[in-house]
Amino acid sequence: NAGVTQTPKFQVLKTGQSMTLQCAQDMNHNSMYWYRQDPGMGLRLIYYSASEGTTDKGEVPNGYNVSRLNKREFSLRLESAAPSQTSVYFCASRPDDYGYTFGSGTRLTVV
Amino acid sequence: QKEVEQNSGPLSVPEGAIASLNCTYSDRGSQSFFWYRQYSGKSPELIMSIYSNGDKEDGRFTAQLNKASQYVSLLIRDSQPSDSATYLCAVRGGSSASKIIFGSGTRLSIRP
Repeated sequence: NAGVTQTPKFQVLKTGQSMTLQCAQDMNHNSMYWYRQDPGMGLRLIYYSASEGTTDKGEVPNGYNVSRLNKREFSLRLESAAPSQTSVYFCASRPDDYGYTFGSGTRLTVV
Repeated sequence: QKEVEQNSGPLSVPEGAIASLNCTYSDRGSQSFFWYRQYSGKSPELIMSIYSNGDKEDGRFTAQLNKASQYVSLLIRDSQPSDSATYLCAVRGGSSASKIIFGSGTRLSIRP
């Protein structure tokens, strides 16, 4: 089982460039999430989708947009990257009353 | 006040001893509690979940929950060097029923 698959694993962007982080899960989970992890800050929720067709802001949504393309896929877009968005990004999914399964992460550097 | 608080550590424990990790949370309506382990450069991995007051044991791991004190802990018995990692406490429910809020993690180091 693949679980949660994220692409790319690494990315370097210049300030102002845009990119989309892709996430797909094959576990038939309703809920999907995007987190960022910075040293000393723990995991902070960017956006989530409780079910197909719905998305909601998390703790740190500014500068990001999301699309829940179907039940399997949940993408995160940076429209105009900033150095403050340098971070490790994790996608996760979960069944209705259990913990998350995380993807392997995307290490993003904005220069 | 942070919603989920953990001591950042590092917590150093000798091999074979019991490691005790603690976490407090602010939302009294919280319903589900999780412990994740994260090795350096890797993604978090769920190791324990607990939903009701008391203890829950799984192998060398025991999760303890006290909702009255808004406190959850993780005990690791017979600590091994492979247990060296950052442990993240996470809480779901109450005002955040659809999402899980994480603490910033406790770094655990098991010394041989």
